[in-house]
Amino acid sequence: GEDVEQSLFLSVREGDSSVINCTYTDSSSTYLYWYKQEPGAGLQLLTYIFSNMDMKQDQRLTVLLNKKDKHLSLRIADTQTGDSAIYFCAVHTGTASKLTFGTGTRLQVTL
Amino acid sequence: KAGVTQTPRYLIKTRGQQVTLSCSPISGHRSVSWYQQTPGQGLQFLFEYFSETQRNKGNFPGRFSGRQFSNSRSEMNVSTLELGDSALYLCASSDGLRTDTQYFGPGTRLTVL
Repeated sequence: GEDVEQSLFLSVREGDSSVINCTYTDSSSTYLYWYKQEPGAGLQLLTYIFSNMDMKQDQRLTVLLNKKDKHLSLRIADTQTGDSAIYFCAVHTGTASKLTFGTGTRLQVTL
Repeated sequence: KAGVTQTPRYLIKTRGQQVTLSCSPISGHRSVSWYQQTPGQGLQFLFEYFSETQRNKGNFPGRFSGRQFSNSRSEMNVSTLELGDSALYLCASSDGLRTDTQYFGPGTRLTVL
């Protein structure tokens, strides 16, 4: 089955850019998502990219997709303390509504 | 549009009991998926319902079941609770079509004692 991996922790200073990485195994993945989870909360959809795209920009967020290497990244420009959270990469494959999630990357923003 | 709602938000049960969780999707969405989130296993897919039919199922024992009503609201039931069932149960709503972007509710935190 699909396997999605992320690094567990990232620490950045306020104002810097953050880059969160994700790798996946299934080359037939169609849509790839980034979700944010704050303590005690559900998952907030941040952005998504279709597999025929290389890049998508949405305000401070930039998603890069390298299909050859099965690598997805999320860049957050001008990172703020409010961006501190766990970020999940999720991959959708096939026709059924099933997402396979990575382990999540905890982003810590320091002053 | 109102978001995905889940009730109750918190539950405490004892081993052997059963529990029912409820999810109301975004208006117009016909697909509801359920996920279990634990510190050890992360986010795992339980099952998905689309137009009152189970369309996909994850690798969970038969103690976990669900259903969907004609108004797209969904319930999830866990029978004979075990300590390991303690988790955050998340419900996701989507239109169930090709793009299938899933929007999550706040979750139900289940604690089994």
